[in-house]
Amino acid sequence: GAVVSQHPSWVICKSGTSVKIECRSLDFQATTMFWYRQFPKQSLMLMATSNEGSKATYEQGVEKDKFLINHASLTLSTLTVTSAHPEDSSFYICSARRADRGASPLHFGNGTRLTVT
Amino acid sequence: GQNIDQPTEMTATEGAIVQINCTYQTSGFNGLFWYQQHAGEAPTFLSYNVLDGLEEKGRFSSFLSRSKGYSYLLLKELQMKDSASYLCAVLDSNYQLIWGAGTKLIIKP
Repeated sequence: GAVVSQHPSWVICKSGTSVKIECRSLDFQATTMFWYRQFPKQSLMLMATSNEGSKATYEQGVEKDKFLINHASLTLSTLTVTSAHPEDSSFYICSARRADRGASPLHFGNGTRLTVT
Repeated sequence: GQNIDQPTEMTATEGAIVQINCTYQTSGFNGLFWYQQHAGEAPTFLSYNVLDGLEEKGRFSSFLSRSKGYSYLLLKELQMKDSASYLCAVLDSNYQLIWGAGTKLIIKP
């Protein structure tokens, strides 16, 4: 089955620093990857859609200058949380869909738990 | 607007059967997904329905009625490890995934 690898699984950083999260599709190509955030006991919230070779599309209320997304290849997308603050502490999850199947399911990475102190 | 409704929480007994319902109103329809999410973990794919009817996969089955905008996930022979949130999501006409808020399923011995 399709595998999405996300790294790191967890990270603790100091306020004001930046953190980069990687999302890789291991056995398929993904023209589109999605970045979600989930706070405790809340539902998934789509932050942005990452498109290979073009700019990401951000959801309303998500600061594109704070959450930098780069999708440089068909198998890798990165999310950088810049100048992190404690309120950015959350569970960040990436997902990808196979490029050759429009209605294929999303496959999720294992998520990254970010704690900003 | 687009909307997906599912119960917030359900409780069932180990060994029993539980049905989790999902109703949706979306701009177009290209399929409905069910995901399982354990606390602190990412969602995992359970099923995909695009045509009306029942899809069975082991202890889990998923049903779809497009005319009614309705689906359910049926879990049989419940095990304690089935305690999780179950997410219903619809792929709209633009192939965007619209998520329900999830149903937290609590299994009691």
